[in-house]
Amino acid sequence: GAVVSQHPSWVICKSGTSVKIECRSLDFQATTMFWYRQFPKQSLMLMATSNEGSKATYEQGVEKDKFLINHASLTLSTLTVTSAHPEDSSFYICSAGAGGAYEQYFGPGTRLTVT
Amino acid sequence: SQQGEEDPQALSIQEGENATMNCSYKTSINNLQWYRQNSGRGLVHLILIRSNEREKHSGRLRVTLDTSKKSSSLLITASRAADTASYFCARTKNNKLIFGAGTRLAVHP
Repeated sequence: GAVVSQHPSWVICKSGTSVKIECRSLDFQATTMFWYRQFPKQSLMLMATSNEGSKATYEQGVEKDKFLINHASLTLSTLTVTSAHPEDSSFYICSAGAGGAYEQYFGPGTRLTVT
Repeated sequence: SQQGEEDPQALSIQEGENATMNCSYKTSINNLQWYRQNSGRGLVHLILIRSNEREKHSGRLRVTLDTSKKSSSLLITASRAADTASYFCARTKNNKLIFGAGTRLAVHP
């Protein structure tokens, strides 16, 4: 089946620094990638949708200047959390789709802790 | 909130028992999907049921869909400790997945 990887799987950073999370589709080309955020014991909330070669579409309430998304190729999307604050601590999950939202394959997630 | 409602929020059962989780939504759908998430991990797709289907099976999983009531249920039969996880329903809207609040299932040996 389709495999999506995320790197790193966990990261601890200090307030004010930036962190980059990578999402890769390993065995298929993903025209669309999605980034989600999940707080403990809560559901996934979509942050943004990115299409290869174009700007990401952010959900309402998500700061595009804080969460920079780049989808430079059909197999790689990156999420950069800029000037991180403790409230940005969360579990970030990406998914990749070859057929739109109907068929998404999820990465294993990245646990971000901002101290 | 765009999220659907899921109940129960948490479910604790013994191995061998059946577990039923419910999902309700507010708008019409083309399909509904169920996902599983082990603690601190990504999501695994379980079943997709289309709006013209009423029931679908996959191994020990059975999903039903009642579009008139805008609800779906996921039944896990003969549960195992390894079924312990969170389960989410998700509907597609504007080419995006909208997840329900989820049910945390604990299966005790």
